[in-house]
Amino acid sequence: GQQVMQIPQYQHVQEGEDFTTYCNSSTTLSNIQWYKQRPGGHPVFLIQLVKSGEVKKQKRLTFQFGEAKKNSSLHITATQTTDVGTYFCATLTNDYKLSFGAGTTVTVRA
Amino acid sequence: DGGITQSPKYLFRKEGQNVTLSCEQNLNHDAMYWYRQDPGQGLRLIYYSQIVNDFQKGDIAEGYSVSREKKESFPLTVTSAQKNPTAFYLCASSASGANVLTFGAGSRLTVL
Repeated sequence: GQQVMQIPQYQHVQEGEDFTTYCNSSTTLSNIQWYKQRPGGHPVFLIQLVKSGEVKKQKRLTFQFGEAKKNSSLHITATQTTDVGTYFCATLTNDYKLSFGAGTTVTVRA
Repeated sequence: DGGITQSPKYLFRKEGQNVTLSCEQNLNHDAMYWYRQDPGQGLRLIYYSQIVNDFQKGDIAEGYSVSREKKESFPLTVTSAQKNPTAFYLCASSASGANVLTFGAGSRLTVL
């Protein structure tokens, strides 16, 4: 079952604004991965975080792994229409499977 | 270009029929996976295979079957025992020792 919970489930953003989506767990995670799925498409790997407190940036996207390795966040600045889609976090379970959160679906108002 | 090919893209099935979804990869990946996606529920693991001729059940294996006779191929059969088979099915693969997934374009199954 799901080991990570994502909030919010839906995010409606005005173009140009910033927003953050969160991925939370009650247990310590070995790693966090983030994927993006465009409408009608398939998930595409964005990034992997492994270290406590790790922060990685990809252009306007900032990914963070919490100090306790129980949560992660994705922050998008100056949202564009190309950011539309569903963002999933995923974590490696004890039996080496990836367990995905339910996703945050992002829509953008132009 | 290397990648994962899923077929068919769309499939319609009558109740009581088995259907097989194809997944082929030319990435030379050892591990392959099948996920089911329903609205609002994310991705749920059906079956996975770390090596040829071996596979394990995921979280929702009931009503599904797989085989892994070749490294490149991991077909999924949705049997008549699956009570709610209408969904989007995603195949994925990963390199040995890694856990980053590469996904195929998916197959959308509708039961009429």
